[in-house]
Amino acid sequence: DAGVIQSPRHEVTEMGQEVTLRCKPISGHDYLFWYRQTMMRGLELLIYFNNNVPIDDSGMPEDRFSAKMPNASFSTLKIQPSEPRDSAVYFCASSTDRNYGYTFGSGTRLTVV
Amino acid sequence: GENVEQHPSTLSVQEGDSAVIKCTYSDSASNYFPWYKQELGKGPQLIIDIRSNVGEKKDQRIAVTLNKTAKHFSLHITETQPEDSAVYFCAARGSGGYQKVTFGTGTKLQVIP
Repeated sequence: DAGVIQSPRHEVTEMGQEVTLRCKPISGHDYLFWYRQTMMRGLELLIYFNNNVPIDDSGMPEDRFSAKMPNASFSTLKIQPSEPRDSAVYFCASSTDRNYGYTFGSGTRLTVV
Repeated sequence: GENVEQHPSTLSVQEGDSAVIKCTYSDSASNYFPWYKQELGKGPQLIIDIRSNVGEKKDQRIAVTLNKTAKHFSLHITETQPEDSAVYFCAARGSGGYQKVTFGTGTKLQVIP
């Protein structure tokens, strides 16, 4: 089991550019979560999906952020246009109904300059 | 929504001593309480969890206790080792059929050899 796979590991982009973060959850997990981690705000839930359907996107900071899950094995988080305050580590996690514990990916460290 | 407070924010102990991290939660209907360990450059990893129908759970050197009346739960690490050095997060899952958990702000544990 390769765990939750995120790409890229690091992303440096200029303000105003579009950024796409990718996640492959563990096979068989029917929940997928996107978190953002910063020193100031800790771990913030942005959005989560159940069976590929978005359930709660109340944590998405603004319309510049969007997330999709076109199938059970892939999800994207897009920021367009990016801003310096979006700099953070973005984590994807997955879980199942039978086991509430999350398995996190290694994260994507995003730097917007 | 759920609010989780965690203390202390930093903790230094001598190798071999015990470490205790405490959390409180606000939603009396919360029923699942996981603990995560995050090492530098990695995603949080589930280390132990407890459900609301259990008062204590142990796994080798790690134990978690839950006091539902007081709405607090604690992580106990005995015989600490240098590899226990990391940031630890508590979390709480409210009732309502959703998988969403709320994380505490984290405790940076340093075990001094």
